[in-house]
Amino acid sequence: EVQLLESGGGLVQPGGSLRLSCAASGFTFSSFAMTWVRQAPGKGLEWVSSISNTGGSTYYADSVKGRFTISRDISKNTVFLQMNSLRDDDSAVYYCAKGLEGLRVLDYSDYWGQGTLVTVSS
Amino acid sequence: EIVLTQSPATLSLSPGERATLSCRASQSVASYLAWYQQKPGQPPRLLIYDASKRAIGIPARFSGSGSGTDFSLTISSLEPEDFAVYYCQQRTNWLTFGGGTRVEI
Repeated sequence: EVQLLESGGGLVQPGGSLRLSCAASGFTFSSFAMTWVRQAPGKGLEWVSSISNTGGSTYYADSVKGRFTISRDISKNTVFLQMNSLRDDDSAVYYCAKGLEGLRVLDYSDYWGQGTLVTVSS
Repeated sequence: EIVLTQSPATLSLSPGERATLSCRASQSVASYLAWYQQKPGQPPRLLIYDASKRAIGIPARFSGSGSGTDFSLTISSLEPEDFAVYYCQQRTNWLTFGGGTRVEI
């Protein structure tokens, strides 16, 4: 059974940093791209970042480029999202999701974690 | 950036009725469009990908159609568990989501 478990969310002041983790199990982690999607309270879905199966290619939404960094540790079956210079509008539930087709980086997501809440507020 | 516009924003129907949701892209996405269902407090669930392919475990009452810029998700006969918010997503040019359609009783 595919499982994705996010952690690392919490309350942080504007300008602060947070590192999200997503522990994956139930599939061959090294064969699939991974993606982070966020959802502000009461709002729609927003793609944040994606990383290739090997970690060699990364992509970011313009809204987070230069502030967020996606990475993965294949030995630990974990994907990370380092978030720096956080702003109020980064407040959201952050979902980790598995790519559908493996090698395609910008892809649909067939499995999602339950999400971790990030609140940026002073 | 490709903008996806979903309509209507809210669809009020009864169990057993047919639901048709629309997603229009600001430029062609070929057939690279997916539909997701999201219920309160839950992550999205992939229903349809590549415009018309049902994801694993998705009931046959869900179907998708369209290509280019105009797409539809049809639920042939609404079950009580189908009342939720539905999002479309394209993967042609980066990844973007539509604003969602709420299907309510």
